Amino acid sequence: QSALTQPASVSGSPGQSITISCTGTSSDVGGYNYVSWYQQHPGKAPKLMIYDVSNRPSGVSNRFSGSKSGNTASLTISGLQAEDEADYYCSSYTSSSTLNWVFGGGTKLTVL
Amino acid sequence: QVQLVQSGAEVKKPGSSVKVSCKASGGTFSSYTISWVRQAPGQGLEWMGRIIPILGIANYAQKFQGRVTITADKSTSTAYMELSSLRSEDTAVYYCARLLVGSYYFQHWGQGTLVTVSS
Repeated sequence: QSALTQPASVSGSPGQSITISCTGTSSDVGGYNYVSWYQQHPGKAPKLMIYDVSNRPSGVSNRFSGSKSGNTASLTISGLQAEDEADYYCSSYTSSSTLNWVFGGGTKLTVL
Repeated sequence: QVQLVQSGAEVKKPGSSVKVSCKASGGTFSSYTISWVRQAPGQGLEWMGRIIPILGIANYAQKFQGRVTITADKSTSTAYMELSSLRSEDTAVYYCARLLVGSYYFQHWGQGTLVTVSS
């Protein structure tokens, strides 16, 4: 069982927008603005898409955006494209005594 | 250009140990921390621990405490992750990831190293 809760799957048609949620606690998502999101294509390493809740690294499309409300963070992808089909993981720094970073279980995005 | 290049795939017997390397290029090695994250087949990501090379200090997820050792060689800009007492559940792809000191996100990732534990 992952520390952060994500939906197992989401889907959308090309051009549409989708949102992936990531729910944690006040010890992680709710307690820090240190939520990040990663895209992973099959057989590849994860790629940073969003950091510190809503910041995009250089080179990441502005179709990707992040936000947070309370203990839940969200990743929104607008103008869906076929190449967006991948697994997406959220992560947060945590004040837990047992580890420093937690991940969500991942969400499979299917572009119909 | 920042790159993290990991060592190749390993096949290990239960009870043995494995040591995976992660060589960094681009940027200043001491400006970063290196974390290790693993992914079991078909599963999600799991943080194992990290090292701050400039200080030589490592800390580990409680789950792996006592079985994992993370080290760094500043002279070769290489980090290492050694996992002992291997069991079948340790079969996974192991990634190193680099974080800028003071940041809380995994900025760059290695290509991953598959470790298979099988008798």
